Amino acid sequence: AQKITQTQPGMFVQEKEAVTLDCTYDTSDPSYGLFWYKQPSSGEMIFLIYQGSYDQQNATEGRYSLNFQKARKSANLVISASQLGDSAMYFCAMREGRGRGSTLGRLYFGRGTQLTVWP
Amino acid sequence: DADVTQTPRNRITKTGKRIMLECSQTKGHDRMYWYRQDPGLGLRLIYYSFDVKDINKGEISDGYSVSRQAQAKFSLSLESAIPNQTALYFCATSAGTGQETQYFGPGTRLLVL
Repeated sequence: AQKITQTQPGMFVQEKEAVTLDCTYDTSDPSYGLFWYKQPSSGEMIFLIYQGSYDQQNATEGRYSLNFQKARKSANLVISASQLGDSAMYFCAMREGRGRGSTLGRLYFGRGTQLTVWP
Repeated sequence: DADVTQTPRNRITKTGKRIMLECSQTKGHDRMYWYRQDPGLGLRLIYYSFDVKDINKGEISDGYSVSRQAQAKFSLSLESAIPNQTALYFCATSAGTGQETQYFGPGTRLLVL
């Protein structure tokens, strides 16, 4: 089974509008972390935001927020006030567990959502 | 200067050739990773290393080998390149503590003819 599922291959949003990128995850580990990365057309992977499984509040970083619904196993990325420069591929990823002794620290990635922001 | 660097940035090679991709980091992280990205498939883990003496296979290690020469250096080798190894390769590092965010290098675009 896929650890991370991103069901939206592509999304379109008008500049200055908000957009939500969906991500669901699958794990039985009570300790995990969820990440979102941005990949512009130049190819680099840029870390955006992190949510820990024990965090009580949704993570926020500037215009990015993570809508964390633990019971639903979803970790959607919300981008407010979209800008043209937000056009990129966005990846959701999960890290299971903590510490040594297993495949700890490795990330499982979804297939990504291509976001296009239009004027 | 970038914290995680990869060389070369682009490489074209022929089937059967041996090729090495190099990764260096100045972040002082113990953990290093090699991923490959194929269109529509996200990133998949090839190998990872928690320290110089600890190297582990990821989900797609066949056809690849690695060397952790020092804490700061982690190299990926394709012993005999084949066309389906054409991909974008990323090196990443993490501290192994806290939220363990992985920080990625700029990637190496490899084309195997």
